Amino acid sequence: DAGVIQSPRHEVTEMGQEVTLRCKPISGHDYLFWYRQTMMRGLELLIYFNNNVPIDDSGMPEDRFSAKMPNASFSTLKIQPSEPRDSAVYFCASSFLLQGRTQYFGPGTRLTVL
Amino acid sequence: AQKITQTQPGMFVQEKEAVTLDCTYDTSDPSYGLFWYKQPSSGEMIFLIYQGSYDQQNATEGRYSLNFQKARKSANLVISASQLGDSAMYFCAMRDDTGNQFYFGTGTSLTVIP
Repeated sequence: DAGVIQSPRHEVTEMGQEVTLRCKPISGHDYLFWYRQTMMRGLELLIYFNNNVPIDDSGMPEDRFSAKMPNASFSTLKIQPSEPRDSAVYFCASSFLLQGRTQYFGPGTRLTVL
Repeated sequence: AQKITQTQPGMFVQEKEAVTLDCTYDTSDPSYGLFWYKQPSSGEMIFLIYQGSYDQQNATEGRYSLNFQKARKSANLVISASQLGDSAMYFCAMRDDTGNQFYFGTGTSLTVIP
């Protein structure tokens, strides 16, 4: 079975540009999570969805960040406009009821904003 | 309040030896889950092992075992017969009673010495 799929794997952009990160969760999983990982702050939860509905977006740093999940197999995290401090690795993870709601992570998108 | 504490920023172990990575947690929830993830230098987050708070026996997955001491609120990871490929960051995480929120520790960097 395919795991969580994220694209792109690497993104380099200039300050002020719009960035869109994409995620396909594991089929059948009903929760989807977006995380950001930096050396300074570690792993931070940005937002999570249940059955395509955003449940908690309190971790979204500011209005420049937005996330959508139009269907069960696709989610996007958008940053507009991007800033150098947004440089990080962004992970998408999904989970299901079984196995204690283990979260399975995608490979991550390494974002560099110049 | 910090939910997960990993007090060992870095650990070294000789190849073929066993190593214990410490993790303590803080919760008043009656039901929770504990997880360990491995993050090699390539960056992906790999799920290793899960322990439910009501599980009577310690979880084991191959060379990984979780030493769960509920009264002490500790969930240490034991890796037996260390291999060079075990060199990575290891994160302890806890899932709360709602089943949605994960709290991650700051990680322990493990280096296996030949």
